Amino acid sequence: DQQVKQNSPSLSVQEGRISILNCDYTNSMFDYFLWYKKYPAEGPTFLISISSIKDKNEDGRFTVFLNKSAKHLSLHIVPSQPGDSAVYFCAASARYGGSQGNLIFGKGTKLSVKP
Amino acid sequence: DAMVIQNPRYQVTQFGKPVTLSCSQTLNHNVMYWYQQKSSQAPKLLFHYYDKDFNNEADTPDNFQSRRPNTSFCFLDIRSPGLGDAAMYLCATSRAFGGRTEAFFGQGTRLTVV
Repeated sequence: DQQVKQNSPSLSVQEGRISILNCDYTNSMFDYFLWYKKYPAEGPTFLISISSIKDKNEDGRFTVFLNKSAKHLSLHIVPSQPGDSAVYFCAASARYGGSQGNLIFGKGTKLSVKP
Repeated sequence: DAMVIQNPRYQVTQFGKPVTLSCSQTLNHNVMYWYQQKSSQAPKLLFHYYDKDFNNEADTPDNFQSRRPNTSFCFLDIRSPGLGDAAMYLCATSRAFGGRTEAFFGQGTRLTVV
């Protein structure tokens, strides 16, 4: 039973436009959410995070939005660049409860930004 | 640069032959993790060390063991690899567990079982 779901395996966007990657979760104990980016043959690298006490966190071209009532978060990349082409993983953790602190990952969304 | 290093990058092993994957870190982080990622799947936590304390996930097969001889090094031992154990194995570290801290990943070791 997947606790973190990324329902779009892939996304294609034109350079300069906005990329929106979505993530849904089922465990209401999750209180910290992260996005990782992964290039082929490399490990995931941390991109941006958000705590459940916030609904938005911005870092340059990257913004993460959290909707707790819908158990949904999204990553916006604007403007998208060809170098953003990678697999993006959503991850979540819970400070309390079973498996606390364990990062639970989604299956990832492959983003392709076309010049 | 401080980092997480995994060796080897690619490992081919025979069915049933024990294999060890290694991970080292220069970040001086307390926590080290081993994840298994199969094709098109989410990375799945196998176990983690908080300092010297070992924590096994409930569904991690007994075939998988780990050692952490010191802060910098952590090993993943697969006692009798099966074809189903072919995957990317990711090592990660973090400063603490159960809090607002991201994990830093190594480049991974891709294991092939023949």
